Parts: sequence; structure tokens; C-alpha cells
Amino acid sequence: GAGVSQSPRYKVAKRGQDVALRCDPISGHVSLFWYQQALGQGPEFLTYFQNEAQLDKSGLPSDRFFAERPEGSVSTLKIQRTQQEDSAVYLCASSFAGGLDNEQFFGPGTRLTVL
Amino acid sequence: ELKVEQNPLFLSMQEGKNYTIYCNYSTTSDRLYWYRQDPGKSLESLFVLLSNGAVKQEGRLMASLDTKARLSTLHITAAVHDLSATYFCAGDGAGSYQLTFGKGTKLSVIP
Repeated sequence: GAGVSQSPRYKVAKRGQDVALRCDPISGHVSLFWYQQALGQGPEFLTYFQNEAQLDKSGLPSDRFFAERPEGSVSTLKIQRTQQEDSAVYLCASSFAGGLDNEQFFGPGTRLTVL
Repeated sequence: ELKVEQNPLFLSMQEGKNYTIYCNYSTTSDRLYWYRQDPGKSLESLFVLLSNGAVKQEGRLMASLDTKARLSTLHITAAVHDLSATYFCAGDGAGSYQLTFGKGTKLSVIP
């Protein structure tokens, strides 16, 4: 069965470059989340979509970070003018919002390295 | 703001032994989650605990929730090497969907 997929799996960027990370959630999942996981830490929330609506972007660390989900399925996380502190694994998760347990299923992540 | 604390952060145990990982959280959380993460891999959902007194078991792992104490535990019975991984607990606060994670417990099971 298809789980959450993310691409690319690895991305190396030079400082100052823009990057775009893609997430393809589980079919039928209404909710989509982005998390940032620094090395040796737990994931930290970035932003949340319900269908195409971005309901919470309180975790985005700066205005260089932007996320969209225009048709309520695939989502893109864009980071402009990347900095070294942006180096992390970016995880996407989806859930079936109608479920009682709000269980979130995670993709494999994109490991971003900014040189 | 929900804060989640796990302990221990590192755990080295021998095969066949039992141990417990503790997860304390600071404010009301509708649900409590346990995830497993292998090195370089994503998070695998282990348990979702919905109510006070909830207990769930899968193989050698058992998770429980005490909402009054704001404490969840992950108990490992007769550990085997395959259980070596990092275990995270997470809560979603009250009326929220975003997950707040602990720092994780890195478990190493030694033959």
C-alpha cells in the first residue's frame, strides 16, 4: 500500500539557494503536517493543512519558510535563501482527520544539508 | 504550551531484561503517542493512547497512560536486539492536531 512519500530524499544546497521539498500524502488523508527534525532531536512542528487550507503555520521559523497545498493533496515546503541552520530532516505526515485518534503517518523525510 | 519530557534519554540494556521509559507532559493532552525511529529512517507509529488508564500491548512493548499524573510509560519486556532504536513519545495538547515530541530515548539492546 502507498504510504507518505517525499522527494527528494536528500538535498544539498549552497547557502543562499532556494529549495523546494515535496510531500505526497496517503490518498484520502485530509490533514497534512510538516515537521523539522534536527540531528539527535525530536521532530518539531512547522505547519498544518486541512485540505488546501493552511490552518496553523506557527512553527515556521522565519518568513523564508513557505508551505502550500493548492489542491488539497500534494504539498510543497519551500525555503528561500537557505542558511546553515536550516540543515535538518524535514518530515511530512498525514492523517485522516475524521479519525478519533488523529494518528499521523510519517514519510521517509528529506535530509537537507546547507553548505 | 505543551512540553514533553522523556527519560532516560539513553538506555543500554542486556537482552532478556525488562525496562521502562517514562514520558511526562506538562498540560492536558487529548492523545499520547509512541513512535519508533531507526537510524536514518522515518517514524513508525507504535501506540496511540486515548484515555486515562489506557494500556496497549504489541509484542514485547506495552504502553500505558495516566492522565492525572500526566505520565505515559513504555515498558519493554525481555528485550531483544531488534528493539534497538530511538523511541519518541508525543502529545497533541488539548484541541490541537500538531504533535509535540520529547527528545527521544535511544535504546541499545546488547546481546
